[in-house]
Amino acid sequence: DQQVKQNSPSLRVQEGRISILNCDYTNSMFDYFLWYKKYPAEGPTFLISISSIKDKNEDGRFTVFLNKSAKHLSLHIVPSQPGDSAVYFCAARSTNAGKSTFGDGTTLTVKP
Amino acid sequence: NAGVTQTPKFQVLKTGQSMTLQCAQDMNHEYMSWYRQDPGMGLRLIHYSVGAGITDQGEVPNGYNVSRSTTEDFPLRLLSAAPSQTSVYFCASSYRAGATDTQYFGPGTRLTVL
Repeated sequence: DQQVKQNSPSLRVQEGRISILNCDYTNSMFDYFLWYKKYPAEGPTFLISISSIKDKNEDGRFTVFLNKSAKHLSLHIVPSQPGDSAVYFCAARSTNAGKSTFGDGTTLTVKP
Repeated sequence: NAGVTQTPKFQVLKTGQSMTLQCAQDMNHEYMSWYRQDPGMGLRLIHYSVGAGITDQGEVPNGYNVSRSTTEDFPLRLLSAAPSQTSVYFCASSYRAGATDTQYFGPGTRLTVL
């Protein structure tokens, strides 16, 4: 049973518009959530995170929203830029087990 | 500061061969881990280590061995390669194993088993 799901394998948006990437989880023990960005032939790099005690965290053009009752989080990128084109992975952890569980990723393509 | 390095970048093996994927970090991180990524899927944890001399199994440990004799190095050994082990392997490290500790990933090793 997949505990972290990214139901959209791909997303295409126009440069300057908003990109919204979604992630759902099933394990109630998860209390820390992360987004990673991955370019081809490179390892994932940390993008932004959110603790379960918050419902929003912002870092520049990137904002992560957490809805604990729905077990849902989303990553908003505004405005989207061609350099944002990459695979985005959602990951979840529980405080007493530092291991991360990853979703399958969403490939974002931002068209100029 | 090189971060997390992995060698080799690419490797082709025949079924039944053994090999070691190397991983090193120069950030004095306690926590190191190995993941595999199959096409269209997320990263799955193979083995991890919370410090030198301590290792434990992750989600998909079968067919792999690890050891952690130093803080810097965390090699992954394939005992008898199988086609099902064809994948991209990522090593990662973080200061500790805490939930809020940022993981840093290496560039990956692309392994093909024929």
